[in-house]
Formats: sequence, structure tokens, C-alpha cells
Amino acid sequence: NAGVTQTPKFQVLKTGQSMTLQCAQDMNHNSMYWYRQDPGMGLRLIYYSASEGTTDKGEVPNGYNVSRLNKREFSLRLESAAPSQTSVYFCASIPPWNTEAFFGQGTRLTVV
Amino acid sequence: DAKTTQPTSMDCAEGRAANLPCNHSTISGNEYVYWYRQIHSQGPQYIIHGLKNNETNEMASLIITEDRKSSTLILPHATLRDTAVYYCIDGSSGGYQKVTFGTGTKLQVIP
Repeated sequence: NAGVTQTPKFQVLKTGQSMTLQCAQDMNHNSMYWYRQDPGMGLRLIYYSASEGTTDKGEVPNGYNVSRLNKREFSLRLESAAPSQTSVYFCASIPPWNTEAFFGQGTRLTVV
Repeated sequence: DAKTTQPTSMDCAEGRAANLPCNHSTISGNEYVYWYRQIHSQGPQYIIHGLKNNETNEMASLIITEDRKSSTLILPHATLRDTAVYYCIDGSSGGYQKVTFGTGTKLQVIP
């Protein structure tokens, strides 16, 4: 039982490049979330998906798009990366009864 | 802005109890108190949650005041592996979309 798996773990992009961060969970959860964490800061919600086929904006959605491909997978796309998007990105999966969140190990993204 | 307030940092001697406080000044009646921790910038790890009553599990105990405006996470016998940033949050049964993770408390367990 892997829980929440994020790929890649590390990535360096040049300004203007695009990339997709992948997240998959094997716990059959409906809800999945994408957060970013800047140095010395708490987590900020980018987008979330309450169920397959639905997505909604969080606190800091600008510059990102998401896709809930199926119940297992929720991807985050940066169309044109900017240095301000340098951060650690965490994906989380939450069971139907909305209690504890299960987080992935993060993707450390640097935009130069 | 974080809805909860916590001390920025705390120290605890190894083997002693670590008591981490949190103020929940804006918590509403249907919101739970959750505690998470984050070790070495790994993904946050769930510890415990409660609504009104005190709770205990294999990791920690949670004390919630009667007015629910404050809580305390207790690690009964802190070890070096408990060194982490600890977050308290207010969460509803409707999901995490309105949950705010603040900057937490950096707990340093000292040998």
C-alpha cells in the first residue's frame, strides 16, 4: 500500500518551460489536493478536487492548471514556469469521511 | 492568514513530555481540532484530531479546553525523532478546502 505517490521528487526548470507534476493515490479516496510550501511558510492550497471530474481553485491558483484524470490521479501543470513558482509541492488525499489527510513526499521544484 | 496561533519554537528534553499549545480563536462548533507534524520538509503526517473530548492514540494525547478555544498536543516521552514542525489546524467535516496551515511550532528535542 503506497499511499500517495508524487513524481518527480526533484525538478529544475528554466523560466517559461512547462511541466506536469503527477500525484496518484491507491486508497480509493474521492478528495485530492495540491499545496505549495515556500521556505519557512505553511502550506497554501492551489487546487483541489472533491471527486472525480471536479476541480476547484484554492488560495493560490494563478499560474497553475489541474486535471483529475481518474479517481487515482490528480496532476498539476505549470504552463509557463516562473521563478516565483519555486517551491515544494505536496499532494494530499482525503478519505470520504474527511478526517486525516494523507500527504505525498513532495516535489521540490526550482525555476531558474 | 492562519486561523490558529502557535509559538514559533519550543525545546524539550529527550524522554520528557512535550506540551505544544495552540489557540483556536475562530473555531466554529462543527470544526475539529487537527494536529499534524512535518519532519525534515517531508509531507505532513497526521497525528490526532478531536472535537470536544480529549483524545489519545499511540502517538500523542490531545487536550481541548471546554470552550474549544485552545488545545494542547502532548507527546508523553519525546524522542529525537519527534523533532519536527507541528501544525494545529481547524478542520470541518466538509473537507480541507478552507483549512489554513500556518507556520507551526518547531519542536527541538534535545538529548
